[in-house]
Amino acid sequence: EADIYQTPRYLVIGTGKKITLECSQTMGHDKMYWYQQDPGMELHLIHYSYGVNSTEKGDLSSESTVSRIRTEHFPLTLESARPSHTSQYLCASSHGTGEITEAFFGQGTRLTVV
Amino acid sequence: GQNIDQPTEMTATEGAIVQINCTYQTSGFNGLFWYQQHAGEAPTFLSYNVLDGLEEKGRFSSFLSRSKGYSYLLLKELQMKDSASYLCAVMDSNYQLIWGAGTKLIIKP
Repeated sequence: EADIYQTPRYLVIGTGKKITLECSQTMGHDKMYWYQQDPGMELHLIHYSYGVNSTEKGDLSSESTVSRIRTEHFPLTLESARPSHTSQYLCASSHGTGEITEAFFGQGTRLTVV
Repeated sequence: GQNIDQPTEMTATEGAIVQINCTYQTSGFNGLFWYQQHAGEAPTFLSYNVLDGLEEKGRFSSFLSRSKGYSYLLLKELQMKDSASYLCAVMDSNYQLIWGAGTKLIIKP
């Protein structure tokens, strides 16, 4: 079983609020990712990191930001939530340089903005 | 652009065999992954193919043809617990995963 955790699992929040979705992994993986997934749709990469102090934007335009101060922690912050942010957010991690390995996913955070 | 195509939904009978196809057009190729995702849960890794041919792992097998931009996932002796979405993902030349929308597999008794 993968050791990657997301909190909260479910969140309902009002428009305009600032929120942070937490993601932690205990596998020592260098690479971490945030995906957005709507029901029946593909995963869209919104942010990724190759290691501490490394963050990049993915292919999906997003008003979110991330930080990677510690290897195990990769939080995602929405400064001002909007109903269009309603979705499932999945965090994932994989080994770093020199090899291609599978990504391990957290259980996801289902966000509803009202 | 980059594109991954899979059927939206398939139905099969318990105990039978089903093949889920995936075709792709990507900027470079560093391997193809199959993941299983039960409703409301996280995707879990099933297989990885980087060379042409068939990889067998228990009841699940995955095939790749790089020249045709084609892969399939073969599930044998279907069980009710195999009802899930199956996601195909290709790692491109930048080592980024490009994901298909997934195939929802419905198993009937």
